[in-house]
Amino acid sequence: EDQVTQSPEALRLQEGESSSLNCSYTVSGLRGLFWYRQDPGKGPEFLFTLYSAGEEKEKERLKATLTKKESFLHITAPKPEDSATYLCAVHPPGSNFGNEKLTFGTGTRLTIIP
Amino acid sequence: DSGVTQTPKHLITATGQRVTLRCSPRSGDLSVYWYQQSLDQGLQFLIQYYNGEERAKGNILERFSAQQFPDLHSELNLSSLELGDSALYFCASSAVVEGTQYFGPGTRLLVL
Repeated sequence: EDQVTQSPEALRLQEGESSSLNCSYTVSGLRGLFWYRQDPGKGPEFLFTLYSAGEEKEKERLKATLTKKESFLHITAPKPEDSATYLCAVHPPGSNFGNEKLTFGTGTRLTIIP
Repeated sequence: DSGVTQTPKHLITATGQRVTLRCSPRSGDLSVYWYQQSLDQGLQFLIQYYNGEERAKGNILERFSAQQFPDLHSELNLSSLELGDSALYFCASSAVVEGTQYFGPGTRLLVL
């Protein structure tokens, strides 16, 4: 059973064309939802942590929001350097102190065309 | 730069061999996590150590083992390697249990 589903799988945008990436989760009792950016062949780079519905965080052209069932990563006026795979991750159900593994979605591959 | 270091960057070996991957966490971080990323499966959690003790286990094969040393660096040992073990192996660290995980640059393993 998929606990983290990201959509779309791939997204191509023109430079300056704003859009949103979606991460839906089936985890109850969320203990944190994490967004990472990953460039090809590199390690995931931490972007945001969200803990409760209604929470929002921003960094440059990125804004992450959280509801009870999903999170959105909004990209405003993207530039070619924003091209990367964006990964969403959560702590799986049943995890408690002593089980801090993250369950990752398969990511959205974002391409910004100049 | 996340502050997490991994060595080696690349590793090419043959089936049946054994390799050791090394990870140094960020200064002050007590938790170390290992993940495997292959093309068809995404990032898969393998194992977590906290201050030298195993804390959580994921989809880690019996051929794989890990440990965390007193200086907090960690090693992932992969034995009886198979072609399907070819992947990127990432280490991550966090300051506290449940803390944000910061990833290293990874070790690319190719089994021929």
